[in-house]
Amino acid sequence: DVKVTQSSRYLVKRTGEKVFLECVQDMDHENMFWYRQDPGLGLRLIYFSYDVKMKEKGDIPEGYSVSREKKERFSLILESASTNQTSMYLCASTSGTGGNQPQHFGDGTRLSIL
Amino acid sequence: GQSLEQPSEVTAVEGAIVQINCTYQTSGFYGLSWYQQHDGGAPTFLSYNGLDGLEETGRFSSFLSRSDSYGYLLLQELQMKDSASYFCAVSKVNKFYFGSGTKLNVKP
Repeated sequence: DVKVTQSSRYLVKRTGEKVFLECVQDMDHENMFWYRQDPGLGLRLIYFSYDVKMKEKGDIPEGYSVSREKKERFSLILESASTNQTSMYLCASTSGTGGNQPQHFGDGTRLSIL
Repeated sequence: GQSLEQPSEVTAVEGAIVQINCTYQTSGFYGLSWYQQHDGGAPTFLSYNGLDGLEETGRFSSFLSRSDSYGYLLLQELQMKDSASYFCAVSKVNKFYFGSGTKLNVKP
């Protein structure tokens, strides 16, 4: 079974802090994704990566950056955390392209910015 | 952007059949997927429709009609454990776009 592991289940940070969310997958998947999930808004794509050191912006990249130095690891960075970034963050991975490959999600990180 | 609309909440009784609809405003996508998410849990993949028509996987079936910009998830013989949120999603190249989700409440 594919395992996608997010480093923290709950995280509390302060406004202005630089925040790192880590995600590791163990199935050698090419594609990795970061979403945020807010009530009534579903999952919104922040960034995705289709290969090491490659990244593309999703629908809501403002205030975020990402890093993929190794195939198995995809990091989401909040450059200067703000209260409107309080949310559930979900990492996912998938193999190949075409959309018929299921996304495998981590358990999520519930981030609170005070 | 992409727009996928789902009902926000559906309630049904154990043993019944329920249909969760998804209408979308997008084109040029590979297919329509469905995901289930229990409270506090990760979304998990349920089904995928690359072509128009019905796909059946056990108690769950999913349908896609590209001409009508419409799809649905059909859950049969509902069980209490089916209480969860259900999301439709379209895939375009390497990106996935999700609907806002439907919360299904199954009552005894």
